[in-house]
Amino acid sequence: GAVVSQHPSRVICKSGTSVKIECRSLDFQATTMFWYRQFPKQSLMLMATSNEGSKATYEQGVEKDKFLINHASLTLSTLTVTSAHPEDSSFYICSVDDRTAGNTIYFGEGSWLTVV
Amino acid sequence: KNEVEQSPQNLTAQEGEFITINCSYSVGISALHWLQQHPGGGIVSLFMLSSGKKKHGRLIATINIQEKHSSLHITASHPRDSAVYICAVRWGNQFYFGTGTSLTVIP
Repeated sequence: GAVVSQHPSRVICKSGTSVKIECRSLDFQATTMFWYRQFPKQSLMLMATSNEGSKATYEQGVEKDKFLINHASLTLSTLTVTSAHPEDSSFYICSVDDRTAGNTIYFGEGSWLTVV
Repeated sequence: KNEVEQSPQNLTAQEGEFITINCSYSVGISALHWLQQHPGGGIVSLFMLSSGKKKHGRLIATINIQEKHSSLHITASHPRDSAVYICAVRWGNQFYFGTGTSLTVIP
């Protein structure tokens, strides 16, 4: 079964609205989760590292006020795309390291965001 | 930054063919992952390697630490193997990803 669950899998929203994407670690506690963005036919691009109980670490060029990350518990991280624009339309996916299992990496199912 | 290059970018094979996908990286790493991404987007980790060779069913992954190179082999390929295969290297606390190899296996 899934180790990491991501929701929603697909979402369409209007420009200017905000969208929240959830990433849940089902089988283990995750102090760190990673958020990626993927454009069509391109590789995964790390957006930010979500740290439980503290502020997320954002990659260069990623607007922290636009992509709000909250990691309030050891099993849940959320990414909120605020004031969405059509250029935010993309595939967003989270991942978790299971450091108890030799740093095995697990990915969520991903979320397709379309901003109209 | 660790540069990760994959080849080929696209690959079409007949069912039953032996397939090889290559990955090279620029800086020494602690681990390399081979990932499989299906058209719906979901990603599954196939292998995690730090040395040598691993085998799982029809899939074989090898890594040469000195040459900074890894290969993913698929024996007796099948249409259900059609997917994007991504090489990811762990360097410090970060992952760096190749651009992926899009594999299509034709019946």
